[in-house]
Amino acid sequence: GQNIDQPTEMTATEGAIVQINCTYQTSGFNGLFWYQQHAGEAPTFLSYNVLDGLEEKGRFSSFLSRSKGYSYLLLKELQMKDSASYLCAVKDGDYKLSFGAGTTVTVRA
Amino acid sequence: ETGVTQTPRHLVMGMTNKKSLKCEQHLGHNAMYWYKQSAKKPLELMFVYSLEERVENNSVPSRFSPECPNSSHLFLHLHTLQPEDSALYLCASSQDRGTGSDTQYFGPGTRLTVL
Repeated sequence: GQNIDQPTEMTATEGAIVQINCTYQTSGFNGLFWYQQHAGEAPTFLSYNVLDGLEEKGRFSSFLSRSKGYSYLLLKELQMKDSASYLCAVKDGDYKLSFGAGTTVTVRA
Repeated sequence: ETGVTQTPRHLVMGMTNKKSLKCEQHLGHNAMYWYKQSAKKPLELMFVYSLEERVENNSVPSRFSPECPNSSHLFLHLHTLQPEDSALYLCASSQDRGTGSDTQYFGPGTRLTVL
C-alpha cells in the first residue's frame, strides 16, 4: 500500500522560513507534487519533482531525494496569506495521486 | 479560479435520497477525476476518466456511480448514502499527456452532508 507522512501542524512567524517534510513509501513512483489548500477552497498546484534536487519557484522551493523517499517544501519570507494546508502527493502510475493528510501551517504576526 | 467548476457547493441529503454532483472543466483537458476528502484524512482517489473512458476505479461502493458524457463534464450520482459518506468531494482534471508531470487541477468541491 501507499504510506505518505507529513506533520499535522506547524506554526511560524511572519517573515520567517518554514520547512514541511514529507516521507513516502509507495509501490511506484512517477513524481511528487505539493499542493496548497486554503480552508474551504480547491487545492492549488505548487510544485512537481521527479529528479533528485531542489526546484525553486519564488518564495517556495521543493526538494526531492528518491533514494531516501523524502521531500520537503520550503516557504520563505512567510506572509499571512501563506496560512493554509500543504499537501504532499506521490504519483503512482499515469493517473493515481496518493496524498498525505496535509500539514496545516499557521503564520502569526 | 482554476477553470474547474463544481455544483452544488453544498448539499444536504437523507439516506434514501438520490442526488448528483456535477463538475465542468474549461481547460481543454482529457482526463477527469473524483476525490473524497474527509476531515483529517488524506484525499482519496475514487474514479478517473480519460477521454470519457473509466481508467481507474478504487474499490468505491456501488452507491457512488460516476458518469462522463464528454471530456468537459463529469458527474457523480449518489443513492442510499450513509452518514460516513459525509465529506468534501473534489473534482480535478488534467491534460492527460501520459507523463508523470501531468498536473491535476482541482475544483472547489461539494461539501456533502448525509443525515
